[in-house]
Amino acid sequence: KAGVTQTPRYLIKTRGQQVTLSCSPISGHRSVSWYQQTPGQGLQFLFEYFSETQRNKGNFPGRFSGRQFSNSRSEMNVSTLELGDSALYLCASSPGSAWNYEQYFGPGTRLTVT
Amino acid sequence: DQQVKQNSPSLSVQEGRISILNCDYTNSMFDYFLWYKKYPAEGPTFLISISSIKDKNEDGRFTVFLNKSAKHLSLHIVPSQPGDSAVYFCAASEDGNKLVFGAGTILRVKS
Repeated sequence: KAGVTQTPRYLIKTRGQQVTLSCSPISGHRSVSWYQQTPGQGLQFLFEYFSETQRNKGNFPGRFSGRQFSNSRSEMNVSTLELGDSALYLCASSPGSAWNYEQYFGPGTRLTVT
Repeated sequence: DQQVKQNSPSLSVQEGRISILNCDYTNSMFDYFLWYKKYPAEGPTFLISISSIKDKNEDGRFTVFLNKSAKHLSLHIVPSQPGDSAVYFCAASEDGNKLVFGAGTILRVKS
């Protein structure tokens, strides 16, 4: 079974631009979550989608948004980029709706904002 | 306010010895805990988990201990191997809700 894939793997953007990241979950997984990882902060939960609906949301500004398609693929968008948005963005999928299922992470997208 | 804290940013252990990684939490409603391991340029991978109804869970060389009264959990790796060198994250969940991660501990196992 193919793992979680994320594209692109690396991205450099300028302040004020917007960016879209993509995540393809493991086949059959219906839940996709997004995390931001920065040094010293661990993984900060952004949001979770299940069956095309956002079910959980973390404490991030409205510039961060996402969506999920009928094939469970998910995209995350960040508008009006700020320098502090530079981070590793991780996507994780899981088969069910409960968070006590272990999540399967992709390799991440490294976003650098200059 | 960090609900899950890993107070040791790094840990260095000799091969063959025990590695003990610690994690403290503040939310007494957390009922499920997980440990993930992360190698550079890869996403975290699930290692082991424990429900709040248990105080110990073992899987091969890895054992997780949960002390609910102290709001503390630990991961024991015995014996430690060089391939265990990675960043370890603990995470907690409340009632099937979102996962809250700690900041991670870098483990270095020296051969």
